Amino acid sequence: NAGVMQNPRHLVRRRGQEARLRCSPMKGHSHVYWYRQLPEEGLKFMVYLQKENIIDESGMPKERFSAEFPKEGPSILRIQQVVRGDSAAYFCASSQPGQSLYNSPLHFGNGTRLTVT
Amino acid sequence: DQQVKQNSPSLSVQEGRISILNCDYTNSMFDYFLWYKKYPAEGPTFLISISSIKDKNEDGRFTVFLNKSAKHLSLHIVPSQPGDSAVYFCAAYMAGANSKLTFGKGITLSVRP
Repeated sequence: NAGVMQNPRHLVRRRGQEARLRCSPMKGHSHVYWYRQLPEEGLKFMVYLQKENIIDESGMPKERFSAEFPKEGPSILRIQQVVRGDSAAYFCASSQPGQSLYNSPLHFGNGTRLTVT
Repeated sequence: DQQVKQNSPSLSVQEGRISILNCDYTNSMFDYFLWYKKYPAEGPTFLISISSIKDKNEDGRFTVFLNKSAKHLSLHIVPSQPGDSAVYFCAAYMAGANSKLTFGKGITLSVRP
């Protein structure tokens, strides 16, 4: 998992607060993906971004969730007004541009574990 | 709608024996299948993949078999080692579908010394 950096590793928020999760992709990677893993579940796709562009956000909840990947700086997954059901592990992954996942599999970070109290 | 299913939540195997992890899928449009391995408190790491036009792919101790007509794939690990103890996720995607991976729920493999 070396290379994809996520912070914080653990985040505790009270209901109604905002959570900001950060992801820096591997060097040379300009595609970022966010996945969420609920307890006892597999990873679920949330959003796919390139620099300054959201490519696919079909897995994002319609409300309270947003993601960005600015020209400079890390990708940010933002959750507003968190609820207990948002408690999960959020994983970021990155890949090289122009590569299929078969030839250039996703590299995942170690995740941010969000706990909503 | 669980398009990728790993119906056995756990598997325990003796060191040196073969581990067989199974995965079923329902979407016949999937073009590629991947296996990821995950240790606690870490992110998934890529293990091995297979294209839908193949029925076998081998990499060292790891072999993935694909039975497209049965929509079934399996990961064989031989010989199993204690360091293989982890959660194994089966994943699939369709070419051109924005690289969106669909994951199963995972299988916890325990290799007993």
